[in-house]
Amino acid sequence: KQEVTQIPAALSVPEGENLVLNCSFTDSAIYNLQWFRQDPGKGLTSLLLIQSSQREQTSGRLNASLDKSSGRSTLYIAASQPGDSATYLCAAPTYPSGTYKYIFGTGTRLKVLA
Amino acid sequence: DVKVTQSSRYLVKRTGEKVFLECVQDMDHENMFWYRQDPGLGLRLIYFSYDVKMKEKGDIPEGYSVSREKKERFSLILESASTNQTSMYLCASSTTRGRPQETQYFGPGTRLLVL
Repeated sequence: KQEVTQIPAALSVPEGENLVLNCSFTDSAIYNLQWFRQDPGKGLTSLLLIQSSQREQTSGRLNASLDKSSGRSTLYIAASQPGDSATYLCAAPTYPSGTYKYIFGTGTRLKVLA
Repeated sequence: DVKVTQSSRYLVKRTGEKVFLECVQDMDHENMFWYRQDPGLGLRLIYFSYDVKMKEKGDIPEGYSVSREKKERFSLILESASTNQTSMYLCASSTTRGRPQETQYFGPGTRLLVL
C-alpha cells in the first residue's frame, strides 16, 4: 500500500533563501509524482508533475526531482519570496483494481519572512 | 484553462440534515474525485468516478454517497450529516482514464460546518 510522508511539517525561512522540501513514498513502482501548492482556505494548484521516466522538472524558481529507487522526491525553491508562503503537498498515484487514485502527503507549511 | 467549480465555499448545516455538495468541471474530464481535508490527516479520498454513472469507494466512504448523472457534474451527498463530517471538502478532476499521466485539477473547496 502506497504511503506518502512529508518532512518537515512546517518550515520558516528568511526571504531570499534557497530551500528544499522532502517527500517520501513507499511503493517505488509509481507512474508519476506531483507537487501541489495550497493557500489557506483554498484548493490545490498543481506545480509540477514528474513522470516516472523523468528525473526532474523545472518551472521558474521551482525544481522537482524524483528518485524512484530511494522512494524520494524533493521540491527545490530558489530565492524564496514571501509570496511563496503556502502549504506544499506531494502526491503519488496508486493503481488498485484497474483505476488509479492519488495518495497525498500531509504537506509542509512554508512561511517566508520578509 | 481547466475550471473546477464547487457550489458553495462555506456551508453550515444541522446534525441529521441531508447535504449536497456539487462539483462541475468544464474540460470534459472522465475522472472526478471527492476528498476531505482535515488538519494532521491530509487529504483523504471519499469517492471517485471514472465515467458517467460509475463510482468507486475511496478510503473513507462511510456516511457519504455520490452521484454522477452527467460527465461534467459529480455530487457528494451526506445522507445524515454528523459533527464528525465537519471538514474542508475538495473536488478534483482529471483526464486519461486508467493512465495516470495527467494532473488533477482542484476546485476551491467547500468548508462545511455541521452543528
